[in-house]
Amino acid sequence: EVQLVESGGGLVQPGGSLRLSCAASGFTLNNYEMNWVRQAPGKGLEWLSYISSSGRTTFYADSVKGRFTISRDKAKSSLSLQMNSLRAEDTAVYYCARDAIFSGYDLNTFDIWGQGTMVTVSA
Amino acid sequence: DIVMTQTPLSSPVTLGQPASISCRSSQSLVHSDGNTYLSWLQQRPGQPPRLLIYKISNRFSGVPDRFSGSGAGTNFTLKISRVEAEDVGIYYCMQATYLRTFGQGTKLEIK
Repeated sequence: EVQLVESGGGLVQPGGSLRLSCAASGFTLNNYEMNWVRQAPGKGLEWLSYISSSGRTTFYADSVKGRFTISRDKAKSSLSLQMNSLRAEDTAVYYCARDAIFSGYDLNTFDIWGQGTMVTVSA
Repeated sequence: DIVMTQTPLSSPVTLGQPASISCRSSQSLVHSDGNTYLSWLQQRPGQPPRLLIYKISNRFSGVPDRFSGSGAGTNFTLKISRVEAEDVGIYYCMQATYLRTFGQGTKLEIK
């Protein structure tokens, strides 16, 4: 079964750091462009970051630029999100999501999502 | 930054009746490659989002044909021809022409 599983969430104090991971099963993570998306409690979806399949290209939403870093470990076939200088407004469920590919072309949408990992930023 | 605006934010619908959700972008979503990267996703309660429609009108694998997408440029629509109980949830449009941006979501509920 094709799936993504996030881990690393938890409770952290304002100003603290947390590292989220995303593992894939049923497909080769290294072959896909990947993203992180979050959803604050009772709120909508917010795209945070993108990384190319090579890992050489990354993009960020303004809300996390300079504080969050997306990366991938090709050897371990894993995806990470390093989150620094965390704020109360970063409290959310964090999802990793796969860019969909069809016939070798990136469809620029998300076809596989993990179940999410909860991050709570509070003193 | 691209702003995606969905209307309505809430849509009470009778089972078996049609439903329609609109999504408007603050600028044209036509990419330099000629494609328009506008998708629709469904999020059922307690679940992660699920892809329904990509590139305006293409149904993703396994999506029932009662779901359809249309539009161009800055105006897009998701239609459900006959709403079923399993369609309850929040629907998001998402643009991926300029990075990625989601609409604020439309809650579909049964009357």
